[in-house]
Amino acid sequence: NAGVTQTPKFRVLKTGQSMTLLCAQDMNHEYMYWYRQDPGMGLRLIHYSVGEGTTAKGEVPDGYNVSRLKKQNFLLGLESAAPSQTSVYFCASESLGGPTYGYTFGSGTRLTVV
Amino acid sequence: GQQLNQSPQSMFIQEGEDVSMNCTSSSIFNTWLWYKQDPGEGPVLLIALYKAGELTSNGRLTAQFGITRKDSFLNISASIPSDVGIYFCAGLPPWAGGTSYGKLTFGQGTILTVHP
Repeated sequence: NAGVTQTPKFRVLKTGQSMTLLCAQDMNHEYMYWYRQDPGMGLRLIHYSVGEGTTAKGEVPDGYNVSRLKKQNFLLGLESAAPSQTSVYFCASESLGGPTYGYTFGSGTRLTVV
Repeated sequence: GQQLNQSPQSMFIQEGEDVSMNCTSSSIFNTWLWYKQDPGEGPVLLIALYKAGELTSNGRLTAQFGITRKDSFLNISASIPSDVGIYFCAGLPPWAGGTSYGKLTFGQGTILTVHP
């Protein structure tokens, strides 16, 4: 099925470890986003990309890096994980038609940092 | 950045009851969106609103774009157990243009629990 696929679905890290979350979309969408979801905080934008090879900071970018080497993939990296990065991470993609036509979310990655 | 205040934070209702939730902002938006997140899944778009005063329905769901452009409301009629989840409002400011371009602002969410 077409959509946004996130891997892994679950992960436990020790403080200081690094990891990369992968987001892949097969809808040929231009825009891709990484959000984190925390209880009572809603969805907060970490980084986003408006096209292959471009990235930009969102609302809460500190401690994260991203790359968009291919149009279909958007990677979120944690270089040195901290307990404050325990969260559920969602990737989303959007077509040029705007948020009402193509803002599609993945099913999330639940990350725990101990 | 812009803030959206969504209320209530949580609701516990009996099956068959109607549900109302709202979202308010101190600044105006050109587009209001309502999403639902099922447990363990990502949010899915329910309704999109584009004009002040607009009232749009999707089955048992009805949403309204407030006249002041600073608020929006979502109503669910005759709730059923599968309505359980988190409902998010999201807004797009006037300067966003045709796409969200990373400018979509989300409310904190309303957690809905429906007892059979």
